[in-house]
Amino acid sequence: DAGVTQSPTHLIKTRGQQVTLRCSPKSGHDTVSWYQQALGQGPQFIFQYYEEEERQRGNFPDRFSGHQFPNYSSELNVNALLLGDSALYLCASSLTSGSIGSYNEQFFGPGTRLTVL
Amino acid sequence: AQSVTQPDIHITVSEGASLELRCNYSYGATPYLFWYVQSPGQGLQLLLKYFSGDTLVQGIKGFEAEFKRSQSSFNLRKPSVHWSDAAEYFCAKTNAGKSTFGDGTTLTVKP
Repeated sequence: DAGVTQSPTHLIKTRGQQVTLRCSPKSGHDTVSWYQQALGQGPQFIFQYYEEEERQRGNFPDRFSGHQFPNYSSELNVNALLLGDSALYLCASSLTSGSIGSYNEQFFGPGTRLTVL
Repeated sequence: AQSVTQPDIHITVSEGASLELRCNYSYGATPYLFWYVQSPGQGLQLLLKYFSGDTLVQGIKGFEAEFKRSQSSFNLRKPSVHWSDAAEYFCAKTNAGKSTFGDGTTLTVKP
């Protein structure tokens, strides 16, 4: 089992550009969550995808969008990049069961380090 | 707003000494609480979790944590620290599918 994988590992972009980050969940998982971790801070929840739809969203602007594919993999897109978008972007997968309030353990990928110049 | 606070930004302990990392959370119904560890260049690894029941939970790598509702705390402990424990530690809370993390505590282990 490869666990959660993310690509690319590192990425350098300039302000105003657009970026797409990719995540493959752990085998058997159907839910993907994305987090932004700025330097010296804890991860912040961006959004969660389940059944190809955004199910939960954190306090992030519409420049941050996502997609989940039928094979449960996911993409995070960020438009009009700002310097403040520089961060480690973490993907976490889990297997959803029960109501939205229930919890299933999340497994995290190694992250994509995005630098915006 | 849901929040998780880790009061100690950086802690240094000697190898073999005991460790306690503090975590306070804003209380909500059914608190799901977690401790994660992150080594440089790595993702987050779950150390332990609390959902309900026994307030003292055991985790991997010899870590344990105690849930204290009256103090809104979920402190992480280890009786004897190893050099390999040096890393960043995050406390987190999950509510309605969203996870909220503290800003982390960096642990340095002196030989």
